[in-house]
Amino acid sequence: DVKVTQSSRYLVKRTGEKVFLECVQDMDHENMFWYRQDPGLGLRLIYFSYDVKMKEKGDIPEGYSVSREKKERFSLILESASTNQTSMYLCASSLGVTFLSTYEQYFGPGTRLTVT
Amino acid sequence: KNQVEQSPQSLIILEGKNCTLQCNYTVSPFSNLRWYKQDTGRGPVSLTIMTFSENTKSNGRYTATLDADTKQSSLHITASQLSDSASYICVVSASWRKNAGNMLTFGGGTRLMVKP
Repeated sequence: DVKVTQSSRYLVKRTGEKVFLECVQDMDHENMFWYRQDPGLGLRLIYFSYDVKMKEKGDIPEGYSVSREKKERFSLILESASTNQTSMYLCASSLGVTFLSTYEQYFGPGTRLTVT
Repeated sequence: KNQVEQSPQSLIILEGKNCTLQCNYTVSPFSNLRWYKQDTGRGPVSLTIMTFSENTKSNGRYTATLDADTKQSSLHITASQLSDSASYICVVSASWRKNAGNMLTFGGGTRLMVKP
């Protein structure tokens, strides 16, 4: 079974703090994703990585950065947390992303971040 | 603009009853459509993936249909159980996007509650 784990289930941070969210997958997947999920808005892609040290911006990258130093680990960084970044953050991984792809995306359990 | 609309937003049914959730999309060019189940406080878990050539797919008591001509999909749940209480998310994949990471468009989800 694919396993995607996230470092924290719940996190409370203060405005202006630097926040690190860690994601680890154990299936040697090339592709990893960070989403945020807000009520009524569905999942929105923040960043995507298709290989070690490679990254692409998603739909809402502003205020976030990412790091992929090892294939199994993908980190999301909030440089200076703000209250509008309070959300559920979901990490996912998949084997490939190709045209006509049916590669499955496997999600982690999520981190509920509250910024006060 | 690629969009995925789900209806209803929420639904309450009695245990043992059947229900059908709807998904309409405008994603183009179409590659595949996925239904996910997301329990409260958890990451989404895949139920089905359907490509252009498939018009029905079952996974236990879950049956998904796809009409690629009208760009509609439905998820039918038979003999509902309390454990079916969750959000159900429709996700449509494009076969090409400028940014490969953005190939998936997520619907806002239908929140289903099954009552005893």
